[in-house]
Amino acid sequence: DAKTTQPPSMDCAEGRAANLPCNHSTISGNEYVYWYRQIHSQGPQYIIHGLKNNETNEMASLIITEDRKSSTLILPHATLRDTAVYYCISYPMEYGNKLVFGAGTILRVKS
Amino acid sequence: NAGVMQNPRHLVRRRGQEARLRCSPMKGHSHVYWYRQLPEEGLKFMVYLQKENIIDESGMPKERFSAEFPKEGPSILRIQQVVRGDSAAYFCASSPSLESRTEAFFGQGTRLTVV
Repeated sequence: DAKTTQPPSMDCAEGRAANLPCNHSTISGNEYVYWYRQIHSQGPQYIIHGLKNNETNEMASLIITEDRKSSTLILPHATLRDTAVYYCISYPMEYGNKLVFGAGTILRVKS
Repeated sequence: NAGVMQNPRHLVRRRGQEARLRCSPMKGHSHVYWYRQLPEEGLKFMVYLQKENIIDESGMPKERFSAEFPKEGPSILRIQQVVRGDSAAYFCASSPSLESRTEAFFGQGTRLTVV
């Protein structure tokens, strides 16, 4: 079973920031927080990951709370092509990439 | 650097036939993972392989399913005597060594339809 909880769906206006929350209250000290997305049954696409510091790359920003019990993925300027299912996953990297996917959040970006 | 390549993209099999799904990892990646996504459901881990070794097969059905990742060539997921319930999208992912602490990259999947 997935160790994270996410809202089932969210809507976002095109051009606005999309903020996707994730709760991982039982996360262990050696577990990273990973975000993937799946666009219309394509293969999952890696977005970003972090351990305890906030992270930013060309796709998104990841904000992790100080107690590491929750995080937020931020897409700064959502486009229609960002409509997808977003998965938040926590796992210890040293055990390989055996990812446990939950139901994720369906993000609908609307014009 | 080509991504993870899966073939075929679509595969149709009659009940009782065998299905062979192939996955070529990204260059330099020695770890391969297979996942299954049933219609309208989430992704489920099946098996984790390194070259010539099965590391974790806790998600594999006990019968009819097998996987290999030989020293040379792609990883193969084999389903014998397919049934309608095997119809799903099968995704392969690859990553470098564990020491690199990097993420896994997924292929575009093979859609298996059993008729």
